[in-house]
Amino acid sequence: QQKVQQSPESLTVSEGAMASLNCTFSDRSSDNFRWYRQHSGKGLEVLVSIFSDGEKEEGSFTAHLNRASLHVFLHIREPQPSDSALYLCAVSYQGGRALIFGTGTTVSVSP
Amino acid sequence: DMKVTQMPRYLIKRMGENVLLECGQDMSHETMYWYRQDPGLGLQLIYISYDVDSNSEGDIPKGYRVSRKKREHFSLILDSAKTNQTSVYFCASSPGQGADTLYFGAGTRLSVL
Repeated sequence: QQKVQQSPESLTVSEGAMASLNCTFSDRSSDNFRWYRQHSGKGLEVLVSIFSDGEKEEGSFTAHLNRASLHVFLHIREPQPSDSALYLCAVSYQGGRALIFGTGTTVSVSP
Repeated sequence: DMKVTQMPRYLIKRMGENVLLECGQDMSHETMYWYRQDPGLGLQLIYISYDVDSNSEGDIPKGYRVSRKKREHFSLILDSAKTNQTSVYFCASSPGQGADTLYFGAGTRLSVL
């Protein structure tokens, strides 16, 4: 079964510095990857979706997919304190009928 | 305004009691999901519903059942709740039948004492 792992578990960055998050998956045939953000006590909001190798940018968020190495990265450009949250990687599985989530990276942005 | 609404937001029950968690969406989405979120385990899929009365088990269905009698409404039922079902439960919906973008509710925090 598809396995999804995220690193690091937590990350502290200064306001304005680039933040980079890593997600590894086990099934190279997956073609559907998404990054979600969850503020404390809230639901999940989708940040960026990517379906083929390369980069996809949505506002200050860039996803980078490399299926050969089984990695999908999220880069946060010039993060603000309001970007402090749990970031979750999600990958399709079960024939594409559902998403499996990693355990997340907690990002803290200090002013 | 596209929305997934979960009720209640917080719930405390005693072991052995029945629990009903409700979820509604106003987007006419075909597919709806129930996940639970636990520290260190991330989100785990409990059930998927592809449409009215078309439900499928997820990865951890044991101890749960679901009901979808209207497209916009999806319920999660715990018959005789157990303490290990203490968790935050999230409902989500998506437009198609594949793993499209999932739209999540704000969650229900359930404590089973």
